[in-house]
Amino acid sequence: QSALTQPASVSGSPGQSITFSCTGTSSDVGSYNLVSWYQQHPGKAPKLMIYEDSKRPSGVSNRFSGSRSGNTASLTISGLQAEDEADYYCCSYAGSSTLVFGGGTKLTVL
Amino acid sequence: EVQLVESGGGLVQPGRSLRLSCAASGFTFHDYAMHWVRQAPGKGLEWVSGINWNGGSMGYADSVKGRFTISRDNAKSSLYLQMNSLRPEDTALYYCAKDTYTFYGMDVWGQGTTVTVSS
Repeated sequence: QSALTQPASVSGSPGQSITFSCTGTSSDVGSYNLVSWYQQHPGKAPKLMIYEDSKRPSGVSNRFSGSRSGNTASLTISGLQAEDEADYYCCSYAGSSTLVFGGGTKLTVL
Repeated sequence: EVQLVESGGGLVQPGRSLRLSCAASGFTFHDYAMHWVRQAPGKGLEWVSGINWNGGSMGYADSVKGRFTISRDNAKSSLYLQMNSLRPEDTALYYCAKDTYTFYGMDVWGQGTTVTVSS
């Protein structure tokens, strides 16, 4: 169970599109269509943004989209807004009823 | 309103035990897998353990395997985490989370309960 790999930080300007990467292995990300993404603001509980690679829960803005190719999953935010500044975590099913998170990416909106 | 409320955290000495509880309401508890996720101070999220809808399948992070036990009581809409042989590195905010189905993603989170392991 090794953590998924995410860049430590990403930054962008309002209105831009930004993409987060999440790299795993053929034992987790690459084997299942079960990557999820979470947004966490300081002092708050995480919020589900994407599940099953690309599905968006009701109430989540359509500015958020997810995809997966091989062992790498991606989260894209279009039309970046100040309120999007937060930490973002990917998570994948890893078999045998286990999940694994990435280390998280801090998004700064310039 | 869908809600998860954790309890049972506190200060405990290394080597001792603690049992966390999570009370669920506002949804059909027995239809969903449930999880415990923790976050050490200033660190990222770490999945701890998960359990399927009827308790027949459970998984654990390597860091807690053999020390922690997850369980659920569907009649009481409650999730539990029995934590034995606690270590200082188990110090964290522990979240209870509801799955969208079975290990597909966690769509409802509690506010967490803090566990501090220190002598």
